[in-house]
Amino acid sequence: DTAVSQTPKYLVTQMGNDKSIKCEQNLGHDTMYWYKQDSKKFLKIMFSYNNKELIINETVPNRFSPKSPDKAHLNLHINSLELGDSAVYFCASRSATEAFFGQGTRLTVV
Amino acid sequence: AQTVTQSQPEMSVQEAETVTLSCTYDTSESDYYLFWYKQPPSRQMILVIRQEAYKQQNATENRFSVNFQKAAKSFSLKISDSQLGDAAMYFCAYRKETSGSRLTFGEGTQLTVNP
Repeated sequence: DTAVSQTPKYLVTQMGNDKSIKCEQNLGHDTMYWYKQDSKKFLKIMFSYNNKELIINETVPNRFSPKSPDKAHLNLHINSLELGDSAVYFCASRSATEAFFGQGTRLTVV
Repeated sequence: AQTVTQSQPEMSVQEAETVTLSCTYDTSESDYYLFWYKQPPSRQMILVIRQEAYKQQNATENRFSVNFQKAAKSFSLKISDSQLGDAAMYFCAYRKETSGSRLTFGEGTQLTVNP
């Protein structure tokens, strides 16, 4: 059983489209995150949710909107995709001591 | 704001040798966690080792150990008996010991293992 699963693993789409990335964790954790990894491999926090409530909202364009329908899910919706949104997006969930990452979604905007 | 710095963008080591990856961080907190994550070409983020700041003893996981110097805010990773499978990008990360707090990552060190 995969602890944190993201779908899709790869996403290629045209500029201007709207897309969603889904994330589910079966670990019973309260805290979930979205991170963006850019072309230089730098990992930057985007959002953090604790028990379905938004805790951290970094300086991210409002085209990005996280949605947490329940504690086990944290989805990322992106409107009006731009070339600069191309990156790997990681979902993670956190226990008291460590974070568990999904396998990442490589988003390519063409 | 907390920052994490990895000053070695790339490192290489011969198979079976030992290598040390450096990490420094900046924080005003007294309670926090430090981590080393490994990211192989598969891009999966894999936890290598964790250190709680309140513990003076350095963490060890098989061939991986850390040198945690709290006063100097330094947290280096030593890999002993390096194996080809250790080749990956290694990230140092920091997190406060509070609910919902973020992981802050360093820039990463790309480790190459030469046969």
